[in-house]
This record gives sequence, C-alpha cells and structure tokens, in this order.
Amino acid sequence: SAVISQKPSRDICQRGTSLTIQCQVDSQVTMMFWYRQQPGQSLTLIATANQGSEATYESGFVIDKFPISRPNLTFSTLTVSNMSPEDSSIYLCSVRGRGTGELFFGEGSRLTVL
Amino acid sequence: QQQVKQSPQSLIVQKGGISIINCAYENTAFDYFPWYQQFPGKGPALLIAIRPDVSEKKEGRFTISFNKSAKQFSLHIMDSQPGDSATYFCAAGSGGYNKLIFGAGTRLAVHP
Repeated sequence: SAVISQKPSRDICQRGTSLTIQCQVDSQVTMMFWYRQQPGQSLTLIATANQGSEATYESGFVIDKFPISRPNLTFSTLTVSNMSPEDSSIYLCSVRGRGTGELFFGEGSRLTVL
Repeated sequence: QQQVKQSPQSLIVQKGGISIINCAYENTAFDYFPWYQQFPGKGPALLIAIRPDVSEKKEGRFTISFNKSAKQFSLHIMDSQPGDSATYFCAAGSGGYNKLIFGAGTRLAVHP
C-alpha cells in the first residue's frame, strides 16, 4: 500500500480565484493520478502526472484549467484555475502500489466554490 | 465502449443479509476489475479485485463473481453489517491499470 497525504483537506473559495492542491506520497512512484469526484458522483480521471514530463490530460480537461506539477517522485500539485461553482468537487490524488499495481487514493481535497 | 454500468444506485439490506452489487462493461480489453469502498469524507479504499482468468475471488465476507462471456461482474457482501454502510464503486482497467473507468457507485445502507 501507499500513504498519500493531501492538502488542503477542504477549502471554500471565491469565484475567479485559483487553488493549488498538494499531494505527498510516502514512497517514490513513477505515476501519480488526479481524479475529480463531483458531489454524489463517480470518479473521473483528470490527468496522469509523470516526473520530468508534461502531464497527460484526459478528454474534457485542459492544462490551462488544471495545471499540474510533478517536481519529484513523491510529490505533485494540481491547480484549479479561475474557479467557478461547477468546480466544486472532491479532488483525489492516487498512485499505483508497488508490485501489484493496485491504485490507492488519498483522502481527497473538498473544494467549494462560491 | 469505455463505460462501466453499475447497479443498483442504492441498496438497503438488513444486518446479516447479503448485499449484491452488479457491474457490466463493454470493452473486452479490460483485464482488471477492482471494487472500492468509500466512507463519507474519505477517499476510496481498495476492497477486492479480480482478473478475468478466474470466475470468483473471495476475501472474508466479500466475494467477486466474474462472468467473462456476459461481460459482467458483481460484488457479494455476506453477513452484511452496519459498518459496511458506504458507497461502493466498481471499476475496470487494462494494460497495467494506469487508467481505471469507474461505475456510478452504489450507496449501501445496512440496517441493524
């Protein structure tokens, strides 16, 4: 398994502002994944972040809106830019565990945009 | 073709009963089928997973049944307990499981 810490755990933001979410893992991992879970909904992959290269975004998500950094093998950030109420969601960081390759999730960052 | 359809949306079971949640997929390239359990305010936690080379996998009170020809898989929770009350997500992935497609989720309530 992997221990994944996310900050902030929750925040209330104003429309038009940006917020950066941090994800710290207790071991080195090649890939980190960012998911979005809208209220009462399922999980949708936003992007895959590899260390040393540009993040790969899924259809419907763009770098200008969700810039991602991956400065080393244990840390990543996701920024939600120019927020609107539709961005109110839980944002989850996840990594693959060693060996089995199973996907583990952090506790999530709950964003409310007013 | 990338969808994973999950049912029911919500489920109420009495303590000691069997909870059954079903999922169906279309993409035959999927070769990894995990189930996640999520409690309010928490991230999803891997519960149990199966690969298509077996038809059933059991871990404690949790069993995955897999029907490759029908492209369906299900989660059975035996002797359901109030502590099992959570939202359950099925998912499917392929090629190293880098990308998981999640079902819509099932909100389970186990009444004492």
